[in-house]
Amino acid sequence: AQSVAQPEDQVNVAEGNPLTVKCTYSVSGNPYLFWYVQYPNRGLQFLLKYITGDNLVKGSYGFEAEFNKSQTSFHLKKPSALVSDSALYFCAVRDGERINKFYFGSGTKLNVKP
Amino acid sequence: EAGVTQSPTHLIKTRGQQATLRCSPISGHTSVYWYQQALGLGLQFLLWYDEGEERNRGNFPPRFSGRQFPNYSSELNVNALELEDSALYLCASSPRTVAKNIQYFGAGTRLSVL
Repeated sequence: AQSVAQPEDQVNVAEGNPLTVKCTYSVSGNPYLFWYVQYPNRGLQFLLKYITGDNLVKGSYGFEAEFNKSQTSFHLKKPSALVSDSALYFCAVRDGERINKFYFGSGTKLNVKP
Repeated sequence: EAGVTQSPTHLIKTRGQQATLRCSPISGHTSVYWYQQALGLGLQFLLWYDEGEERNRGNFPPRFSGRQFPNYSSELNVNALELEDSALYLCASSPRTVAKNIQYFGAGTRLSVL
């Protein structure tokens, strides 16, 4: 069965420090992985995706994610956090068989303090 | 270009009533997805419509239903409302082209069941 786990409900980091938001997945077939961000009272916005190719994927707002097949992980990273990065982050995986079905993690709240 | 629009923004109902939520996808998108975002549970997939047909549904009871109109807009209907139906309901749209894989989300309808 397809699933996504975000083990941390909340991540706290100081502005200027690197940040990591963790995601592990379980999927049959090749994984199609995504990160979305949700600001208060807004819908989710696409950040980046991994379909195939380089394990390090670069996305919007300076975010990147590293695909690790052996650890079935797709952690979101940013070298230097901004206060404006504070939001709710969701990892998602596309169903390997039913191509338009997506599974989302429970979300990780990122708090960046000045 | 207008994004995904959802109405109403907020909806307050009492137990046993019916709720109707509406979604207009991005122009040119034929697929519409509905998700339930309950507190602490992340996004739960509800329904996927494409070209006017229901293509897939998540693990929700039949009192959650919907439809897609010829202009690709969509309605989500929830009958016999229960307290636990209180949540943010998000609509997303995408082109039908499989290669895209990205979903574009609306800001959601917050349903409160009293």
